[in-house]
Order: sequence, then structure tokens, then C-alpha cells
Amino acid sequence: GESVGLHLPTLSVQEGDNSIINCAYSNSASDYFIWYKQESGKGPQFIIDIRSNMDKRQGQRVTVLLNKTVKHLSLQIAATQPGDSAVYFCAENIGGAQKLVFGQGTRLTINP
Amino acid sequence: AAGVIQSPRHLIKEKRETATLKCYPIPRHDTVYWYQQGPGQDPQFLISFYEKMQSDKGSIPDRFSAQQFSDYHSELNMSSLELGDSALYFCASSYRAGVSYEQYFGPGTRLTVT
Repeated sequence: GESVGLHLPTLSVQEGDNSIINCAYSNSASDYFIWYKQESGKGPQFIIDIRSNMDKRQGQRVTVLLNKTVKHLSLQIAATQPGDSAVYFCAENIGGAQKLVFGQGTRLTINP
Repeated sequence: AAGVIQSPRHLIKEKRETATLKCYPIPRHDTVYWYQQGPGQDPQFLISFYEKMQSDKGSIPDRFSAQQFSDYHSELNMSSLELGDSALYFCASSYRAGVSYEQYFGPGTRLTVT
């Protein structure tokens, strides 16, 4: 399953399928990006990050892709599990560790 | 591993009252950030401190103030509370001199203003 931009806040996928969550960022000067996972009532949890000098970075079951030309970021989750159910936020950082600007979250729900 | 600690976890106040939220960063972290998250919203940056000095300021109302103390913990003081201040308040910390800008978030304080 795949979300489209920031206008589809909910993504439903079948357990075991791959999930793709998309994010468009606004500032071409942003040099660092993070994906966070937020479960209900909890703080955002770091998933994976990527610097602007990279196009792709892989973690455990997750991959982040960065397309600076169109200012687009995506998070791919392989073999989605029930524990992946959460709201996923992308965040951008501009020129240093001062603050993060969060994008609109996408709620990922897993169908058994 | 030690995480960011926030207290209290839940707080109920009435309009026009004051509230103080506390944040204890991860040991050795020198930077603290405060975010506000309304229902169904993304976290919004309020203010940050590096080495006890304010380093950046976001959409923080004038009724709010914050500081970072010598032990690096931080407090967010909120006065003349309004109904619209009801939200989750997150503190995050990072080690600014490190190679990563990763911010670690605390569990949040849920503030309800009635």
C-alpha cells in the first residue's frame, strides 16, 4: 500500500505486505530528515534518518528514499506487522540541530 | 538505556491558572527542545535551549516561558492558561556536538485545561 503526499492521512495495508509512506517537504535548504513513529499516547520514536547528501538509506525492515529534485521523502516498511500500526511523521531539519519541522502524519493500520 | 523523563505525565488545570512542566534530558545531552501537539496534529516546535541558553524559538505564546538549568533539565512555565492550550507537550533532547542531529523524545505531558 502507498500513501499519496500529505492529503491521505490514513494508509491501510495487509499484514505481510510492504508499506510506502510519502512526505513532501517544503524547504530546499533542509539538510537532514527523520522519520518518526508515534503510537497512541506516546512520544515520537526515531525510526531512520537521512542526510541530504544521500538518496537512500536502509535500516532493519525500513528504507528511506530522498528525492531532492522534487523535495520528496518516502518511508518503505517491508513485511508490515501489526506492531507497525502507528502514526508516521517525517521531519526536516534546516542547517543544524535547532528544531524539527514535522510534516502531517500518516496513520498506518494493518489488516490481518 | 536512559530516556527523556517528563513530569508530570498528566495535568489538569482550569482557565487562567498556571502550569509548570519539567523535562530531564538523556544524560550528557546538552540541548533540549519543547514541542506542542494538539489532537490529531503534528508536533509544533516551541523553543529550544543549548547549554542553558535559548537557541531557537518557534510558535511559543508570550504567556509561556522556559529555561534550562545548570543540570540541563528544563522547565516550561505556562500562565493564564486557555482552553486551546490543552495538548500533549513533548520534550526532546540531543547531543549537539555529536554527528547526528537525532532528537530523542520523552513520553509527553498531557495538559487538559477546563
